[in-house]
Amino acid sequence: DADVTQTPRNRITKTGKRIMLECSQTKGHDRMYWYRQDPGLGLRLIYYSFDVKDINKGEISDGYSVSRQAQAKFSLSLESAIPNQTALYFCATSDPRTGNYGYTFGSGTRLTVV
Amino acid sequence: ELKVEQNPLFLSMQEGKNYTIYCNYSTTSDRLYWYRQDPGKSLESLFVLLSNGAVKQEGRLMASLDTKARLSTLHITAAVHDLSATYFCAVPEGGTSYGKLTFGQGTILTVHP
Repeated sequence: DADVTQTPRNRITKTGKRIMLECSQTKGHDRMYWYRQDPGLGLRLIYYSFDVKDINKGEISDGYSVSRQAQAKFSLSLESAIPNQTALYFCATSDPRTGNYGYTFGSGTRLTVV
Repeated sequence: ELKVEQNPLFLSMQEGKNYTIYCNYSTTSDRLYWYRQDPGKSLESLFVLLSNGAVKQEGRLMASLDTKARLSTLHITAAVHDLSATYFCAVPEGGTSYGKLTFGQGTILTVHP
């Protein structure tokens, strides 16, 4: 099994629908992140959580919300999806206790809003 | 606000040639990360550069970090088709958010026969 699992892998949804993207990890990392990737823009941070009780907005949080249900689970919700939220979404984890702040990424969720 | 800029954004190379990708960042940082992404895939870690002057090499790729110039380079030697991918650099934010990474736009590398 993958260390960081994202579900679903692909999703097509209609404008105005609520959708949840889920992320779970088996690495025991406290820190979890949600990014979106758009061509030419790199990865942009939506929300991040440094532990279960700590949730912070990233640079593009409008239109999104998150829930950290447990150390291992971090979900991203689009309350009312719009077409410009069509993108590739990545969940990532990190563990600064190792001295390395690098990320482990999930396999991504490709979301299309029509 | 930390900004990370890569250039070029698109790089078309012939096999066997050498080239360099540049990553500039706007605020002080003591470390930098390089990731590779194959089409339709996730990102995988390539290099972690942890200090000024750090140099890491794997195969035909070599990365270096100059924290004073706020610049990292990813040098490709004798390119082969298997290196075709998108390459990202990433820099951690400072202060209480330390560890949160800001990514460059990515460089799409295509290696032609």
